[in-house]
Amino acid sequence: EAQVTQNPRYLITVTGKKLTVTCSQNMNHEYMSWYRQDPGLGLRQIYYSMNVEVTDKGDVPEGYKVSRKEKRNFPLILESPSPNQTSLYFCASSLSGAGNTIYFGEGSWLTVV
Amino acid sequence: TQLLEQSPQFLSIQEGENLTVYCNSSSVFSSLQWYRQEPGEGPVLLVTVVTGGEVKKLKRLTFQFGDARKDSSLHITAAQPGDTGLYLCAGYLTDSWGKFQFGAGTQVVVTP
Repeated sequence: EAQVTQNPRYLITVTGKKLTVTCSQNMNHEYMSWYRQDPGLGLRQIYYSMNVEVTDKGDVPEGYKVSRKEKRNFPLILESPSPNQTSLYFCASSLSGAGNTIYFGEGSWLTVV
Repeated sequence: TQLLEQSPQFLSIQEGENLTVYCNSSSVFSSLQWYRQEPGEGPVLLVTVVTGGEVKKLKRLTFQFGDARKDSSLHITAAQPGDTGLYLCAGYLTDSWGKFQFGAGTQVVVTP
């Protein structure tokens, strides 16, 4: 079954404690991306990757890092989380970044206290 | 700043009524997509429109892409409670294949 899998689904953490949200897709997609969703703001793109070792900033990259060492994985790293990073995070993938269907993971609820 | 402006933000209607959601921008998009999102889940693609002036129908849903590829609309005929959800428009800018922009969404509630 075609899937985008994120972990953890739910996390409460403390300010400053590094965390990583993993994302994996089994569709051999080249394009992967991270979004955060906040009330009234819709989904905002954090980072995206057009292929292995190619990553670019989205609209709200501050406070986040990503890496794309292999095609199927695209982890989101919060080096020093702050309360304003409390949000619902979605990982997504598509065949390429050019109008193809985007498949979303189920979301990761992150609370930073 | 949201490149895609959706209106209205919230829509509550009775079963059987029609509704239209709008998605507008001052930028040109190479394609626009409409998604529906249920609580606790990721967005699910409904349709992609690519050509200016294009109209696509999906059962009771009609999607339109503006001639200038700057706006789009979603029309639902005879809405049903199962149409309840958050509707999001999203698209790729013509000058940036990788950046995918979302509107803030329209929450639609259809009551029996």
